[in-house]
Amino acid sequence: GAGVSQSPSNKVTEKGKDVELRCDPISGHTALYWYRQSLGQGLEFLIYFQGNSAPDKSGLPSDRFSAERTGGSVSTLTIQRTQQEDSAVYLCASSLSGGRDTQYFGPGTRLTVL
Amino acid sequence: GENVEQHPSTLSVQEGDSAVIKCTYSDSASNYFPWYKQELGKRPQLIIDIRSNVGEKKDQRIAVTLNKTAKHFSLHITETQPEDSAVYFCAVRKSGGSNYKLTFGKGTLLTVNP
Repeated sequence: GAGVSQSPSNKVTEKGKDVELRCDPISGHTALYWYRQSLGQGLEFLIYFQGNSAPDKSGLPSDRFSAERTGGSVSTLTIQRTQQEDSAVYLCASSLSGGRDTQYFGPGTRLTVL
Repeated sequence: GENVEQHPSTLSVQEGDSAVIKCTYSDSASNYFPWYKQELGKRPQLIIDIRSNVGEKKDQRIAVTLNKTAKHFSLHITETQPEDSAVYFCAVRKSGGSNYKLTFGKGTLLTVNP
């Protein structure tokens, strides 16, 4: 079946602009995660959604970052007033129900802030 | 919070040789240890995982060993092939509380030379 999809695959923006990144999880997966992968670094947890529960936003690096998940499916990560240090690959993952389930990753969005 | 150290950061081997990557973690409550493989420009994919009730798990040429006392686990790849070349990430997840959150190591770039 279809895996996790993300769009756009690449995004180049100017410093100070806002960007929106989209994630479509695997159908039927109730848990959704956002990670950030900076050059030469591991994956940094950003935010977690599970069903209708309040999201865990503990990994968001600043209040310029926000995310929402509408209808329990598609999620959007928004970065306001982008900075050069926001340049990274943003990865989305989903799992069947969170907790002990395997996380399946999307292909990522490469964000470049000029 | 959890801290995961991964070594080495780069590893170069000759085709047919074995490769070993090691990770150490800090939180003794961690009980799930997956390994992800990320080929250049591709998404991370789960290749093997181990839970804390076993010490070793093997899948063809890949094995993972876990030492909970010492808080470290290792990925072993035998009879390496050029297609094994990729970045490998270890991760840990703990039981209870935020037991959905994976904490990743910084990755190991494995190069298998033909």
